[in-house]
Amino acid sequence: TQLLEQSPQFLSIQEGENLTVYCNSSSVFSSLQWYRQEPGEGPVLLVTVVTGGEVKKLKRLTFQFGDARKDSSLHITAAQTGDTGLYLCAGEGGTSGTYKYIFGTGTRLKVLA
Amino acid sequence: DTEVTQTPKHLVMGMTNKKSLKCEQHMGHRAMYWYKQKAKKPPELMFVYSYEKLSINESVPSRFSPECPNSSLLNLHLHALQPEDSALYLCASSVLAFNNEQFFGPGTRLTVL
Repeated sequence: TQLLEQSPQFLSIQEGENLTVYCNSSSVFSSLQWYRQEPGEGPVLLVTVVTGGEVKKLKRLTFQFGDARKDSSLHITAAQTGDTGLYLCAGEGGTSGTYKYIFGTGTRLKVLA
Repeated sequence: DTEVTQTPKHLVMGMTNKKSLKCEQHMGHRAMYWYKQKAKKPPELMFVYSYEKLSINESVPSRFSPECPNSSLLNLHLHALQPEDSALYLCASSVLAFNNEQFFGPGTRLTVL
């Protein structure tokens, strides 16, 4: 099974600051998804990136897929307290023709007022 | 209706009890999934159903028994669980199986005493 490592693991910032979260793998992914999960709730899909080098914007969130499709990043501009949550990248990481949808290790973001 | 619903929200059971978790979606999705999420960890895939048939069982112990009565419903029957099975159980759906954009329910918080 392929692995998705996220960094940083934890991030605590003030409202208005910018931040970047990274999702890295040694393997190629056909696509990656980003989710945000709040305590006691299920993950909510934010975006899918498919093409190497692709950049997608969702309001203050910018997602990028690496050229080699092995890594992705999420950049938040002018963070707000509502951005607080667990950010997860995910993708299909099975080997030898098997399907296995895997999640990254997660980045727990806290935005302080 | 763009929601995945799960019941109950919370469940406490003894090791000798039999209980069931329920999941429902009315988005016309033909794939449904069960995930287990331990505290501070990312979700882990348990089962995949495609067109109401079990496609993937990620070597889950037989004390967890999934059932898909129709395209909108997914159950997870629990019997003789262990305290280490305590976790958040998430249901998800997608348009088709192995389509990586998944929509998650809020989860059932299970505690096994």
